[in-house]
Amino acid sequence: GAGVSQSPSNKVTEKGKDVELRCDPISGHTALYWYRQSLGQGLEFLIYFQGNSAPDKSGLPSDRFSAERTGGSVSTLTIQRTQQEDSAVYLCASSVTSGGTGQYFGPGTRLTVT
Amino acid sequence: KQEVTQIPAALSVPEGENLVLNCSFTDSAIYNLQWFRQDPGKGLTSLLLIQSSQREQTSGRLNASLDKSSGRSTLYIAASQPGDSATYLCAGGMIKAAGNKLTFGGGTRVLVKP
Repeated sequence: GAGVSQSPSNKVTEKGKDVELRCDPISGHTALYWYRQSLGQGLEFLIYFQGNSAPDKSGLPSDRFSAERTGGSVSTLTIQRTQQEDSAVYLCASSVTSGGTGQYFGPGTRLTVT
Repeated sequence: KQEVTQIPAALSVPEGENLVLNCSFTDSAIYNLQWFRQDPGKGLTSLLLIQSSQREQTSGRLNASLDKSSGRSTLYIAASQPGDSATYLCAGGMIKAAGNKLTFGGGTRVLVKP
């Protein structure tokens, strides 16, 4: 079956602009996670969704970052007023439940802020 | 706070040799541990998931062990092949706020020489 998909695969934006990153999880997966992979920080957790609610937003680095999930499926990560330090690969993962089943990752969106 | 470490950061072996990749974690209350493979410019491919109640998992040439008391997991890859060249990441899952967010190690970059 189809895996986790993300779009766009690459995004180049100017400093100060807003960007939206999209994640389509595996059908039927109730849990969805966003992570960020950057050269200096490795792979870091950003936010977790169970259904449409986000019980854990502890990894969001600032209030410029927000995310939503609708219909228990698609999720959008929004970064407002982008900064150069936001440049990274943003990875989305989904799992069947939130109870410790394996997470399956999408290919990521590479964001470059110029 | 869970911290995950992978040593060495890079490893080079001749084809046919067995690979041993190490992962250590600080919080023994780990819920599960997942091993991933990442190819350059790609997302993460899940290899093995070990629940905290398990000691090991096997899939083909791959075997992963988990020792919670010592805070260690080891991934063994038997009879390595050039196609095994990739970065291998381990991640510890901690159940919090009803989610299973992963804390990643820095990865071990593996090169298998023909």
